[in-house]
Amino acid sequence: QKEVEQNSGPLSVPEGAIASLNCTYSDRGSQSFFWYRQYSGKSPELIMSIYSNGDKEDGRFTAQLNKASQYVSLLIRDSQPSDSATYLCAVKLLDNYGQNFVFGPGTRLSVLP
Amino acid sequence: ETGVTQTPRHLVMGMTNKKSLKCEQHLGHNAMYWYKQSAKKPLELMFVYNFKEQTENNSVPSRFSPECPNSSHLFLHLHTLQPEDSALYLCASSQLGQGYGYTFGSGTRLTVV
Repeated sequence: QKEVEQNSGPLSVPEGAIASLNCTYSDRGSQSFFWYRQYSGKSPELIMSIYSNGDKEDGRFTAQLNKASQYVSLLIRDSQPSDSATYLCAVKLLDNYGQNFVFGPGTRLSVLP
Repeated sequence: ETGVTQTPRHLVMGMTNKKSLKCEQHLGHNAMYWYKQSAKKPLELMFVYNFKEQTENNSVPSRFSPECPNSSHLFLHLHTLQPEDSALYLCASSQLGQGYGYTFGSGTRLTVV
């Protein structure tokens, strides 16, 4: 059973702080990793993807990947109340089609004004 | 229109009704998916289509019947549903291959009464 684990939260941070969201995965052969943001009642939207070990930065977001530890994280700098949402970690399985994701349960982030 | 469009946005149906959910993608993607999202549970993959051929059926009850007439359209036919089938049903599309994430539609909020 391929698994992706996240702390369900809620994770509460004050406005302007750094929010750190963590994800671990079980399939050592996984190659692609994605972070989605889902506002309450809305569908998930892709915010970051990462394929290589190390950091990848996009604006206030930084994704970090450590394949040896099977760990991927998302840092949100200068957190804003509008960042309050559930963040889903998704891992793309190494299969014949390169089509299948496993999603984590999501971490609910609350940014306090 | 661009992206992934789902209709209807909301649906209330009785247990003896038959209804269909529709999904259309305008992104030129070659894979389409149905996901179920229940309250406080991870996204559950239901069906996968590659180039309009079904490649995965995750032990979904037969009261859910998918149809993919071409690579841009996906349907989910519903009949004799149960109250526990009430959930957000999400359609997604992607390119095949490791580097590609999903694009989700806005979802159909289904309530079975």
